[in-house]
Amino acid sequence: GQQVMQIPQYQHVQEGEDFTTYCNSSTTLSNIQWYKQRPGGHPVFLIQLVKSGEVKKQKRLTFQFGEAKKNSSLHITATQTTDVGTYFCAGPYAGGTSYGKLTFGQGTILTVHP
Amino acid sequence: GAGVSQSPSNKVTEKGKDVELRCDPISGHTALYWYRQRLGQGLEFLIYFQGNSAPDKSGLPSDRFSAERTGESVSTLTIQRTQQEDSAVYLCASSFSGTKAYEQYFGPGTRLTVT
Repeated sequence: GQQVMQIPQYQHVQEGEDFTTYCNSSTTLSNIQWYKQRPGGHPVFLIQLVKSGEVKKQKRLTFQFGEAKKNSSLHITATQTTDVGTYFCAGPYAGGTSYGKLTFGQGTILTVHP
Repeated sequence: GAGVSQSPSNKVTEKGKDVELRCDPISGHTALYWYRQRLGQGLEFLIYFQGNSAPDKSGLPSDRFSAERTGESVSTLTIQRTQQEDSAVYLCASSFSGTKAYEQYFGPGTRLTVT
């Protein structure tokens, strides 16, 4: 079945350092979505990428979608303590008629030391 | 406008009891999802309702789990004869639906503790 894998599982950084998490799918994706979950909170949508090779930026966050549309990355420049949380990627299910169903990666837990 | 709401926010129950969790999606969202998240873990898909189509129940872990949705509104997730391994946060999300995947809006979750 379709799998979406994320690495690393955990990342500890000093405030001001950069951070990157990688997402890989076993199947080609029509789009990729990224979510952030703060400790004790619920996942919140960050962004969606659709086109092959697409790059989008949100302030210090840069999102990329691979040329083959099977991988994606999230890069945070100069991390801040407010970036703490778990970052999930999610891709649409590739089979059946469950349009709209997402397969979530296991997430990368980011901790930022001040 | 109002987001996705879930009730109760916390539920403590004894092993063997039945529990019912409720989700009110965002108005106009025809797709509704239930996920389970154990402590420190990722999101485990449980069930997906898409408009009037038959629900995708492929993620339900056992026949003790069931869910219903009334039209395009409220959904309830029922867990019968709860076990300690059912302890987790149960998240509901809603989205527009169609032939592509739209962003999902999550509720605050119900934290279920089975003693």
